Amino acid sequence: GAVVSQHPSWVICKSGTSVKIECRSLDFQATTMFWYRQFPKQSLMLMATSNEGSKATYEQGVEKDKFLINHASLTLSTLTVTSAHPEDSSFYICSARLGLGTDTQYFGPGTRLTVL
Amino acid sequence: LAKTTQPISMDSYEGQEVNITCSHNNIATNDYITWYQQFPSQGPRFIIQGYKTKVTNEVASLFIPADRKSSTLSLPRVSLSDTAVYYCLVGGSNFGNEKLTFGTGTRLTIIP
Repeated sequence: GAVVSQHPSWVICKSGTSVKIECRSLDFQATTMFWYRQFPKQSLMLMATSNEGSKATYEQGVEKDKFLINHASLTLSTLTVTSAHPEDSSFYICSARLGLGTDTQYFGPGTRLTVL
Repeated sequence: LAKTTQPISMDSYEGQEVNITCSHNNIATNDYITWYQQFPSQGPRFIIQGYKTKVTNEVASLFIPADRKSSTLSLPRVSLSDTAVYYCLVGGSNFGNEKLTFGTGTRLTIIP
């Protein structure tokens, strides 16, 4: 149980285009999902907290108009990188919180974004 | 959010028991301690979670002293496939959507 998937697993795009990444909780409902970014040899950095049916909460320094998050259902959150630039190239990882009681988060396999 | 401190890296030989200690002096009463494992280009994988004393599952044990200011992840008889980065996190409560903050993690290298 507690499986989280991401799609696509990798994507290459041209500078200036937009890319959408999907995060799905496959066998549980997640009222809260999180989006992280990880650069090579570095730790995960939280970008935003995604709540079903409401606006996402972004971390300081993360542009909400550039990284659009939609959490339309209890099993799906999407991250859209708008007008992507080479510096947005990174490994994007989502996680879903299993539920109240403990804050165990289960992570997706990640999406490698390369912007040319 | 409690800050955690772990060794940056550790080496161990195959078949050995590996203990990775994490310090979290500012842990709050409601915080749990969670350990994740991450392989290159993969998302972190949940290993174990505990609140106090000792927790054991099929892959690891977690030891937490009474003051809860530190915790130790114990991996029995490691193999080459245990080479990964291990993250210790504290946080979580029974309300809200508390976020987790990843520290630097411990890069564990298993030597044949």
